[in-house]
Amino acid sequence: DIVLTQSPDSLAVSLGERATINCKSSQSVLYSSNNKNYLAWYQQKPGQAPKLLFYWASTRESGVPDRFSGSGSGTHFTLTISSLQAEDVAVYYCQQYYSTPFTFGPGTKVDIK
Amino acid sequence: EVQLVESGGGLVQPGGSLRLSCSASGFIFRNYAMHWVRQAPGRGLECLSAISTNGGSTDYADSVRGRFTISRDNSRETLYLQMTSLRAEDTAVYYCVRVGAAGANYFDYWGQGNLVTVSS
Repeated sequence: DIVLTQSPDSLAVSLGERATINCKSSQSVLYSSNNKNYLAWYQQKPGQAPKLLFYWASTRESGVPDRFSGSGSGTHFTLTISSLQAEDVAVYYCQQYYSTPFTFGPGTKVDIK
Repeated sequence: EVQLVESGGGLVQPGGSLRLSCSASGFIFRNYAMHWVRQAPGRGLECLSAISTNGGSTDYADSVRGRFTISRDNSRETLYLQMTSLRAEDTAVYYCVRVGAAGANYFDYWGQGNLVTVSS
C-alpha cells in the first residue's frame, strides 16, 4: 500500500500570512504514460464532509479560491495558502489515487495564530 | 446541483448488520463510478469500497472485505453498502462519494455523511 505522510501535523498562521502543507508518498504517484500525478487535496471544516481542492496535484477544482495552490511531483507535494483567511481554518488531507487501496494522508490542521 | 444524500445509519450491536443507502441527483448517476469512504471519530479518512458504473466491478479495503458489500441500482440512482458482522472499530461517519472522472479516483462530490455506531 502507498503510505502518505503529511507535515506538519498542525500549524497556526496569522491572518494574511502563508501556510504550507507537505505531503510525501512512500512511492511515486506519477504515471509515466500520461505524465500525471495521481494526487488530490481536500479541505475538511469542522462538522462537514471533505471538499475537493486539487486533483492531478495542481489542477484547481472549480470554485476554489486562487490563494490556494498545489504543486509537486513524484513523491513530494505541497499545498500552499498564500494569504490565510479565517474561513480556511480546517484540516487538509492529501490522497493518492495511483493504486489501490487509495489512501489518504493523516491530515494537517490549520488554525489562526 | 449534484447531491448525494445518505441514509440508513444508526446504532447497531456488535455482530449486527446495517445497510446504508446513498441517493444521487443532479448528474447522470450511471455514468460515474462511486465509492464509500469512512472516518472514525477524530480520525482520518479511509477508502472502503468502490463500484464501477454498471456494478460489474467492485473492490474493498482489507478491513471490510468479506463483511461489506457495495452495490448500486442505476434505475433508482442509488448506491448501497450492506454491512454485516459489524465491530466496534467500524464506528465511523460513512460518506458516499463520486469519482471525479473515468480512470481518476479522486472524489469531487461527497455526501453529508452518515454516522454508524457499533456498540452494545
